[in-house]
Amino acid sequence: GEDVEQSLFLSVREGDSSVINCTYTDSSSTYLYWYKQEPGAGLQLLTYIFSNMDMKQDQRLTVLLNKKDKHLSLRIADTQTGDSAIYFCAESLHNNNDMRFGAGTRLTVKP
Amino acid sequence: EAQVTQNPRYLITVTGKKLTVTCSQNMNHEYMSWYRQDPGLGLRQIYYSMNVEVTDKGDVPEGYKVSRKEKRNFPLILESPSPNQTSLYFCASSFIGSPLHFGNGTRLTVT
Repeated sequence: GEDVEQSLFLSVREGDSSVINCTYTDSSSTYLYWYKQEPGAGLQLLTYIFSNMDMKQDQRLTVLLNKKDKHLSLRIADTQTGDSAIYFCAESLHNNNDMRFGAGTRLTVKP
Repeated sequence: EAQVTQNPRYLITVTGKKLTVTCSQNMNHEYMSWYRQDPGLGLRQIYYSMNVEVTDKGDVPEGYKVSRKEKRNFPLILESPSPNQTSLYFCASSFIGSPLHFGNGTRLTVT
């Protein structure tokens, strides 16, 4: 089937930048999302980007979208131990409520 | 406080014993959905509802039922649970065309 793909693990040192990558499936996707899941909690919306944008910046977060390659990335500047979590990439299709999620990238931040 | 509330948070049961996981949202959202999260597979949609009395199958509906008699509630029913339904379940809701809000999850173990 068609999948949203992301690498499963990423480890960085505190203070470094983290880049989490994702490839999505549908060129007609209207919104692309990044969700964060901390241990024992649900998914929290971090940021999202509309498909007609190339970049979105929100404080330490930068989202880059390459529509040609269907590639989405999330950059976290000055990564902190509190950023350790699982990050999910998701695309929304058609009516904007049919969302497809990647398997999640577990980010570990080492002091 | 705006939230999606699931109960129970943890549930251990035996094969074949019917169970219900409740989900309630206080944001007047039209759309509600159930997902299951399994390692390496991300979130897979079980059922969703676009409004009261309207429900549809997601990607993995087998073995599950839902109902949407009121706007705020969207219970997930397992008539005869089996061990392969051991998973972490999330309820989510949103306005149509808006990002999903997630509950904190229900960890179900079927022995």
